Amino acid sequence: NAGVTQTPKFRVLKTGQSMTLLCAQDMNHEYMYWYRQDPGMGLRLIHYSVGEGTTAKGEVPDGYNVSRLKKQNFLLGLESAAPSQTSVYFCAAQRGPQETQYFGPGTRLLVL
Amino acid sequence: DQQVKQNSPSLSVQEGRISILNCDYTNSMFDYFLWYKKYPAEGPTFLISISSIKDKNEDGRFTVFLNKSAKHLSLHIVPSQPGDSAVYFCAASDGTNAGKSTFGDGTTLTVKP
Repeated sequence: NAGVTQTPKFRVLKTGQSMTLLCAQDMNHEYMYWYRQDPGMGLRLIHYSVGEGTTAKGEVPDGYNVSRLKKQNFLLGLESAAPSQTSVYFCAAQRGPQETQYFGPGTRLLVL
Repeated sequence: DQQVKQNSPSLSVQEGRISILNCDYTNSMFDYFLWYKKYPAEGPTFLISISSIKDKNEDGRFTVFLNKSAKHLSLHIVPSQPGDSAVYFCAASDGTNAGKSTFGDGTTLTVKP
């Protein structure tokens, strides 16, 4: 039982490049979330999903897209990376409303 | 407008003493509150939670107090241990809105041996 895993752990991109971050969970949780964390700041919600095939925008969605084709996977895409997207990205899964979120270990992204 | 605030970016305490971490919120619709702990290079992990129908919840060395009228909650750790050194995030949700939580900016706790 791995919980929530994220791939890759670390990536360096050049401005304008694209990439996809993968989040996978084996807990059969309905809700999944993508956050970014910048130094000295809390977790800011990028996009989220309340079930397979559904996605919605969070607090800071610009420059990102997501897909949830399978319940266990939540993908975060950057179509054209910008230095402002340098951050640590965390994925989380949650069984239902007012439950605990289980976080992945994070992906550190550096955009040059 | 930040709906969940942790006004102390850092806190340093001596091993064995009490650590008190504070959190204030502005949204009166919040009715479920959580504390998460985060070590460097790891994801946050759940520590303790409290529903708005309670004013206290205890789990071992960790106790969370909720003061609804003041829109304030606090996390007490006693006795503090060096392994408690981490960043602590306060989070709040309102039971709707796709279960989303709003997080504070975190407080870095350092417990000195």
